[in-house]
Amino acid sequence: DTAVSQTPKYLVTQMGNDKSIKCEQNLGHDTMYWYKQDSKKFLKIMFSYNNKELIINETVPNRFSPKSPDKAHLNLHINSLELGDSAVYFCASSQVGPGLEQYFGPGTRLTVT
Amino acid sequence: QKEVEQNSGPLSVPEGAIASLNCTYSDRGSQSFFWYRQYSGKSPELIMFIYSNGDKEDGRFTAQLNKASQYVSLLIRDSQPSDSATYLCAVNRRDSGTASKLTFGTGTRLQVTL
Repeated sequence: DTAVSQTPKYLVTQMGNDKSIKCEQNLGHDTMYWYKQDSKKFLKIMFSYNNKELIINETVPNRFSPKSPDKAHLNLHINSLELGDSAVYFCASSQVGPGLEQYFGPGTRLTVT
Repeated sequence: QKEVEQNSGPLSVPEGAIASLNCTYSDRGSQSFFWYRQYSGKSPELIMFIYSNGDKEDGRFTAQLNKASQYVSLLIRDSQPSDSATYLCAVNRRDSGTASKLTFGTGTRLQVTL
């Protein structure tokens, strides 16, 4: 069984479009995250939700809006896509509490043309 | 100064040798330290985590932490070609919330040669 899953795996779209990425975890974790890995492979946290509540919101353009319908799901909606949004987006989850290990989904490779 | 620094490599070691991967961090309040392995085109996979000064062993992997020197390392014994990947060091900063707020280094690419 897949622990952390994401859809879609690949997403190719044009500038200005709006797109969503979905994430689901079946680990029973309370906290979920979105990370962005750029072309230089640098992995940076964007958002974190704990049981549907936003708890980490890094400096991210407000075109990015996360939504968590329940603690097992975390979606990422991106408005007005720009070329610089091209990256791999990873979802992750962990148990609640600082310092606990995170488990990553397979990633969504977003290409904006 | 970057928050988490790693040598980008590539670090090349022969099969069967010990690979030593190093990481330094700037925030003295950092509480926990993680090593992830990432194969090309794949997601980061947790290998080990360490919270206390000293060594922690798991199979062929040993994590070493020295908080006074702000240094964490990963040793891979009996390196195999399948160990060839990028190794990401991640540090959890002191955070008042409930999340594990990881800061990643840029990774060290390891190549194990036959």
